Amino acid sequence: QKEVEQDPGPLSVPEGAIVSLNCTYSNSAFQYFMWYRQYSRKGPELLMYTYSSGNKEDGRFTAQVDKSSKYISLFIRDSQPSDSATYLCASWASGTYKYIFGTGTRLKVLA
Amino acid sequence: ETGVTQSPTHLIKTRGQQVTLRCSSQSGHNTVSWYQQALGQGPQFIFQYYREEENGRGNFPPRFSGLQFPNYSSELNVNALELDDSALYLCASSLAGVVSGTDTQYFGPGTRLTVL
Repeated sequence: QKEVEQDPGPLSVPEGAIVSLNCTYSNSAFQYFMWYRQYSRKGPELLMYTYSSGNKEDGRFTAQVDKSSKYISLFIRDSQPSDSATYLCASWASGTYKYIFGTGTRLKVLA
Repeated sequence: ETGVTQSPTHLIKTRGQQVTLRCSSQSGHNTVSWYQQALGQGPQFIFQYYREEENGRGNFPPRFSGLQFPNYSSELNVNALELDDSALYLCASSLAGVVSGTDTQYFGPGTRLTVL
């Protein structure tokens, strides 16, 4: 079982839709949860960084972590064609060396 | 822009050859991590350097090695290239070592390596 699981998609939505992207994880030691956006042939770009459970909002983006169910979510409101990219979730346990990434979900927002 | 740069952008090698990939971290970032991202997959951790010492390694063979220099530059070296080494290689820099609770990693654009 992978430590971080993510549906690879692709996910196609119309412009203006609310997008929900999700990951599950298995390692209870994970405390930090990140969402990265990666455009084609580019490096990942950090979107959101959340510690432990709860919600964090930044503009049109909301990250949600539920540690009891080991579930991570990213919501995008009023989605735009420029949001079309691959979204990677990542988890990290303090004192370890590495981020553990999901496989990424490809999102396409149709104009 | 993250301030992390990588060179070259693309590289084509043949099986058995050796390759060196380069990364320039953000100024002040003492930690650099290297990741391998195969097509359609998430990045996989190769190793991490903190103040010029390797302090963590993922499940990669010894033919993957690295160096970090005092001027915030670093290298990833891969010997005896195999076809499966074809991937996007990413470096990520962060401010502190593993003990930091806010060790956000900032990625470079990557080097795309093709092994024929």
